[in-house]
Amino acid sequence: GQNIDQPTEMTATEGAIVQINCTYQTSGFNGLFWYQQHAGEAPTFLSYNVLDGLEEKGRFSSFLSRSKGYSYLLLKELQMKDSASYLCAVRDSNYQLIWGAGTKLIIKP
Amino acid sequence: NAGVTQTPKFRVLKTGQSMTLLCAQDMNHEYMYWYRQDPGMGLRLIHYSVGEGTTAKGEVPDGYNVSRLKKQNFLLGLESAAPSQTSVYFCASSPDPAGTGELFFGEGSRLTVL
Repeated sequence: GQNIDQPTEMTATEGAIVQINCTYQTSGFNGLFWYQQHAGEAPTFLSYNVLDGLEEKGRFSSFLSRSKGYSYLLLKELQMKDSASYLCAVRDSNYQLIWGAGTKLIIKP
Repeated sequence: NAGVTQTPKFRVLKTGQSMTLLCAQDMNHEYMYWYRQDPGMGLRLIHYSVGEGTTAKGEVPDGYNVSRLKKQNFLLGLESAAPSQTSVYFCASSPDPAGTGELFFGEGSRLTVL
């Protein structure tokens, strides 16, 4: 079966760095996505990785290792507004997205 | 710039009632999707469309029907609502599932079936 695993909840301190991990087992691989979802709102696109390595976009970076079926989202200089759920999704061989349940990130002052 | 708009935002139904959720996008996207989001679970694809006049089943299609008569609109129907269909429903669109394949989501429709 297809499976995406990510921690249910994480807590971090304002100004710090946090790494949210995602492991996956899917039928084929055509890219991995990270989305941010604030409570009661729609998911919004953060990043896309299709090749191994690190993609940096401002305070957010996303890493991919296809051989390990592993990705992480790194958030630097955390701000209170970063409190949200972070969704990992993998696009399989049929170009369908398989979604993880999301990681709820709580930022404390 | 409206993006993806869903109506209604909230709805309460009784078991057995029917209803339609409307999704409209103004970005000229070919691909449109209906997802449901339940606590502790990832987004699950109900139905999707790869262009005007086409629809296809996703992961959890039972109890739902869809139509894409116009490119900009994607309707999700519940024929006979059941409590198990209590959920938050998201519509999304994308220009192309390949490439970055970024999805643009509507604000969601919260449905409660009593």
